[in-house]
Amino acid sequence: QSALTQPASVSGSPGQSITISCTKTSSDVTGYNYVSWYQQHPGKAPKLIIYDVSNRPSGVSNRFSGSKSGNTASLTISGLQADDEADYYCSSDTGSSTLCVFGIGTKVTVL
Amino acid sequence: EVQLVESGGNLVQPGGSLRLSCVVSGFNFNNYVMNWVRQAPGKGLEWVSAISGSGGSIYYADSVRGRFTISRDNSKNTLYLQMNSLRADDTAVYYCAKGGIAVAPRGFDPWGQGTLVTVSS
Repeated sequence: QSALTQPASVSGSPGQSITISCTKTSSDVTGYNYVSWYQQHPGKAPKLIIYDVSNRPSGVSNRFSGSKSGNTASLTISGLQADDEADYYCSSDTGSSTLCVFGIGTKVTVL
Repeated sequence: EVQLVESGGNLVQPGGSLRLSCVVSGFNFNNYVMNWVRQAPGKGLEWVSAISGSGGSIYYADSVRGRFTISRDNSKNTLYLQMNSLRADDTAVYYCAKGGIAVAPRGFDPWGQGTLVTVSS
């Protein structure tokens, strides 16, 4: 069981906005300062889409945005497109020697 | 262009050993933290290990500590993962991923294509 909880699935219609949450549920994670989000299409390597809670790497669409409030970080995808259908993972620093933890992942379905 | 290419994945028996390699190009390898992340079939991502640019700082997930050893050869732009005492639950695609200059995991970018390790008798 991951220290970061994500919904198993989220769906939306093309053009809509959806939000995926990532909640720190374990007291073992004393970090949670550096939250990242990754997109993974089937059979492909993950791709970084958000780092440091809300920053987008060069080349990532501005339809992806990140935020954090307390123990919950969120990824919002606006103007949902067919190609956004993928698995999305959050990750965070742990503040300990294990360094990093991933959420369980959220499958996004475009209806 | 930054590239990471893993190799070394194979079928190995429980209790066996395997060494993975990740050859990188397109950036100053010795300046950056490198990571191994794995993904069991049909499952999510699991961070495995990280090593600082100099190799002086090393970190492991609890699930592999004492069995896996991360290392790097900066003269060869290559990252390694020596895996010993392999178990069935180590079966996964193993990715190498570029971190930042500091150890804090502020986003892994990019990732290699992955190499499959299967532990089975």
